[in-house]
Amino acid sequence: DAGVTQSPTHLIKTRGQQVTLRCSPKSGHDTVSWYQQALGQGPQFIFQYYEEEERQRGNFPDRFSGHQFPNYSSELNVNALLLGDSALYLCASSQVRDGVYGYTFGSGTRLTVV
Amino acid sequence: DQQVKQNSPSLSVQEGRISILNCDYTNSMFDYFLWYKKYPAEGPTFLISISSIKDKNEDGRFTVFLNKSAKHLSLHIVPSQPGDSAVYFCAASYGGATNKLIFGTGTLLAVQP
Repeated sequence: DAGVTQSPTHLIKTRGQQVTLRCSPKSGHDTVSWYQQALGQGPQFIFQYYEEEERQRGNFPDRFSGHQFPNYSSELNVNALLLGDSALYLCASSQVRDGVYGYTFGSGTRLTVV
Repeated sequence: DQQVKQNSPSLSVQEGRISILNCDYTNSMFDYFLWYKKYPAEGPTFLISISSIKDKNEDGRFTVFLNKSAKHLSLHIVPSQPGDSAVYFCAASYGGATNKLIFGTGTLLAVQP
């Protein structure tokens, strides 16, 4: 049973560019949440998607946007990249009825902005 | 505003001894607390949790204690094993099965053989 799959695992972007990160949830999960983990910090909640809509959003600027597809997979888009966007981006999936109690995390995408 | 704090960035323990990882929180609305373990190049994996209506939860070698009056929780690992070496995150949520976790900054545990 595949868990949460994230792609790519690593990428390097230049300031001002745009990036798209992808997440395939665990089989049977319908909700996807995205977290940003900066170096030396704990993961911070970006937003969550359910039924192809953003349900809740953390304290992140509008440069961060997302999408959920009918197959429950999700994308995280970041526009106008800043050096401070360099971080590990984690995707967590769950069933909506379980919420955070049933989180499964992916291994993350390491984004480096130069 | 750091609502969940792990004040010890690192901890070193001998194999077979007890590891105690601590976590403090400021938001009295939190009603559910979780501990995650994270190895390099992997995502966090769930370890153990506790509801705010309890003061202790045990699962094998892992026990979590919650002191609501002090807004403090701790994770005890007994006996510690080298495979336990990882970063441990404390996390909290409120409002039932809500949509987000608030994490601490993590504690790197090193278990020496």
